[in-house]
Amino acid sequence: GQNIDQPTEMTATEGAIVQINCTYQTSGFNGLFWYQQHAGEAPTFLSYNVLDGLEEKGRFSSFLSRSKGYSYLLLKELQMKDSASYLCACMDSNYQLIWGAGTKLIIKP
Amino acid sequence: IAGITQAPTSQILAAGRRMTLRCTQDMRHNAMYWYRQDLGLGLRLIHYSNTAGTTGKGEVPDGYSVSRANTDDFPLTLASAVPSQTSVYFCASSDSTGGHNEQFFGPGTRLTVL
Repeated sequence: GQNIDQPTEMTATEGAIVQINCTYQTSGFNGLFWYQQHAGEAPTFLSYNVLDGLEEKGRFSSFLSRSKGYSYLLLKELQMKDSASYLCACMDSNYQLIWGAGTKLIIKP
Repeated sequence: IAGITQAPTSQILAAGRRMTLRCTQDMRHNAMYWYRQDLGLGLRLIHYSNTAGTTGKGEVPDGYSVSRANTDDFPLTLASAVPSQTSVYFCASSDSTGGHNEQFFGPGTRLTVL
């Protein structure tokens, strides 16, 4: 079956770095997405990886290893506004997104 | 309007009633999607439409129907609501369906079925 696993909750300190991991098993693979979702709001797009390696975008970076079925989202210089849920999603062979349950990130001062 | 809108924002509904959730986008996106989001679970696809005039079933289609008469609108109908359909419903759209086509989400509809 298809499965996306990510930690339920993580805590980090303002100004620090945090890495949110995601492992996946899907029927086919057409890319991996990360979205941010603040409480009570809609998900918003952060990053897309389809080739192995690191994609950097400001304070956020996303890494993909297709052979390991693994990705991570790296957040640097954490700010209080980064407190949110981070959703990992894989695009399967039918170009449908399969979503993880999300990782709730709590930032402490 | 700019982007994707949904109505109503929230609704309390008696079991057995019929309900239509509205979704409109002004980005001229070809593909549209309906998801439900429940605590502890990932977003689950209910129905999708790759282009106007076509629809398809997602992971959890039972009890729901959709139509796509034009590019902009993608309503979701619950023919006879049940308590298990209590959820937050998100509509999304993307330019097309392949590869790097991020989905843009509406603000969501919080539905409670009693």
